[in-house]
Amino acid sequence: GAVVSQHPSRVICKSGTSVKIECRSLDFQATTMFWYRQFPKQSLMLMATSNEGSKATYEQGVEKDKFLINHASLTLSTLTVTSAHPEDSSFYICSASFFEGFPSYGYTFGSGTRLTVV
Amino acid sequence: SQELEQSPQSLIVQEGKNLTINCTSSKTLYGLYWYKQKYGEGLIFLMMLQKGGEEKSHEKITAKLDEKKQQSSLHITASQPSHAGIYLCGAEYGGSQGNLIFGKGTKLSVKP
Repeated sequence: GAVVSQHPSRVICKSGTSVKIECRSLDFQATTMFWYRQFPKQSLMLMATSNEGSKATYEQGVEKDKFLINHASLTLSTLTVTSAHPEDSSFYICSASFFEGFPSYGYTFGSGTRLTVV
Repeated sequence: SQELEQSPQSLIVQEGKNLTINCTSSKTLYGLYWYKQKYGEGLIFLMMLQKGGEEKSHEKITAKLDEKKQQSSLHITASQPSHAGIYLCGAEYGGSQGNLIFGKGTKLSVKP
């Protein structure tokens, strides 16, 4: 089955530094990838949608310059949290969707990344 | 082994029929989230359950969490084509709040 590998699973960084999170589809080509963020006791919140080779579409309220998303290939999308601050501490998860053949489609989620900014 | 089992994997129902999707955990849940996703779109949050025996409803969708907090069901009454999509349950466990373990999803198709 389709597997998405997300790394790292946990990261602790100092305030002001940047952190890169990778989301890689292992056995399929991901036409679209999604990045989510979750705060404690709240649902996942979509941050942005990225299609390979094009700029990501960010949700309202998400800072483009702070959360850089690169979807350079059909198997890899990265989320870089720039100049991280403690309020950026959260759980980030990626999801990838792909065509199985019209009208069928599939999706799968990464295992998530727990970011702690100290 | 999978901590969270979601069933069925896919479901095709006639418009107007009721249906149920189940999510079973091998461990006691701290919280259980239900989401829906359509192709090319992000997850849509449906409901979150936290208390044993809790039941929540929104329009024609009802979600329940059993008393033992290990099983949840999502029930759709009088299904409509707009209900079609992938339904996903996400489990939250004590000691790792905020980290969700997801089921594999249920793909629902509603035939007009």
